[in-house]
Amino acid sequence: GESVGLHLPTLSVQEGDNSIINCAYSNSASDYFIWYKQESGKGPQFIIDIRSNMDKRQGQRVTVLLNKTVKHLSLQIAATQPGDSAVYFCAENMHSGYSTLTFGKGTMLLVSP
Amino acid sequence: DSGVTQTPKHLITATGQRVTLRCSPRSGDLSVYWYQQSLDQGLQFLIQYYNGEERAKGNILERFSAQQFPDLHSELNLSSLELGDSALYFCASSLGASSYEQYFGPGTRLTVT
Repeated sequence: GESVGLHLPTLSVQEGDNSIINCAYSNSASDYFIWYKQESGKGPQFIIDIRSNMDKRQGQRVTVLLNKTVKHLSLQIAATQPGDSAVYFCAENMHSGYSTLTFGKGTMLLVSP
Repeated sequence: DSGVTQTPKHLITATGQRVTLRCSPRSGDLSVYWYQQSLDQGLQFLIQYYNGEERAKGNILERFSAQQFPDLHSELNLSSLELGDSALYFCASSLGASSYEQYFGPGTRLTVT
């Protein structure tokens, strides 16, 4: 597959562990945040989103936490599986009224069986 | 499969040349977005079209242009290509003009030699 970055932060976990991926976002006025997963050779895939009026949102095996005080976003993946291995990007909407997204640099998650 | 299609999958061309990348959005989606993903810059928003009209512009060079046709497919034209234009180019689509949830295509890998 194709690499999306040679110098990405990497998180290595064992299968079954919980994973936490962190992201510092740029704009305190951003009102919407998304986590995307990108597997090698594929386009980014939507995982979960959260609006700025929320602190936490849960999906299937994933939870996103938003701390607006320190402009921090995290993605928690429960019971991580080898299929979760990918690069994870956070994205923020910095321009209210527009749907354009600004992406972070990404974190590579490696899950060992 | 996101439902967004992009052609070609790979493109190799020489400096100074011009290429056209094509994208078909998901059925029913009216917005198309173009992104560039390079190793050093990450995933960067280039431009958005909504129902045939330019909606938002990001870090798109003047050598690049795009359009969205009446059947809603979009083309990204890259001209006077430079080595630094080598990257993955993704198209994404969403339902409306300000819909945050964007679905990405598989990308076109452009190599400029």
